[in-house]
Amino acid sequence: TQLLEQSPQFLSIQEGENLTVYCNSSSVFSSLQWYRQEPGEGPVLLVTVVTGGEVKKLKRLTFQFGDARKDSSLHITAAQPGDTGLYLCAGARNAGNMLTFGGGTRLMVKP
Amino acid sequence: DADVTQTPRNRITKTGKRIMLECSQTKGHDRMYWYRQDPGLGLRLIYYSFDVKDINKGEISDGYSVSRQAQAKFSLSLESAIPNQTALYFCATSLGGKGTGELFFGEGSRLTVL
Repeated sequence: TQLLEQSPQFLSIQEGENLTVYCNSSSVFSSLQWYRQEPGEGPVLLVTVVTGGEVKKLKRLTFQFGDARKDSSLHITAAQPGDTGLYLCAGARNAGNMLTFGGGTRLMVKP
Repeated sequence: DADVTQTPRNRITKTGKRIMLECSQTKGHDRMYWYRQDPGLGLRLIYYSFDVKDINKGEISDGYSVSRQAQAKFSLSLESAIPNQTALYFCATSLGGKGTGELFFGEGSRLTVL
């Protein structure tokens, strides 16, 4: 079992729909990052959350860090085909520690 | 030009062959990493280096070795490749310091071992 479990693994939706991706663990993290990876490219950082209960918004994307710092969610409003990609969460147990990645959620947004 | 460059981008090889994947960066970062990506497993850390004289094993280092030739160069070697090492390999860099900072990834090297 992975330290960080992402769900769902796959998601196929129509343009304009909303969606939420989850990243869960039984462990506490000092910080959590979300990356997006497009085909043929490496992951690119979207956001870092460090405070329990923190909410960050990036245009149509809303990221939340759980109060206990064990889980996080990514909500996309009015998804667009350009949102298609692999979304990865990654957590650090302590500041300066290596990141542990979740298994990823592969999102496809159909026009 | 990419800040983190990996070569080769694609490689097909046979079981038992020695393979080297190379990574160079122009970001001036001290920290460099090698990750392996398999479907459904996310990214798993193979080796990492915090400076030229520092090499550390990650969670899946068996069957791999690395060399940090300079601040800007970090290579990954498979001494005797086996089929279950077929995967997408990523090099990444980050700034030093106390925090767990952003990772900057290369475009990946797809390795197939027959």
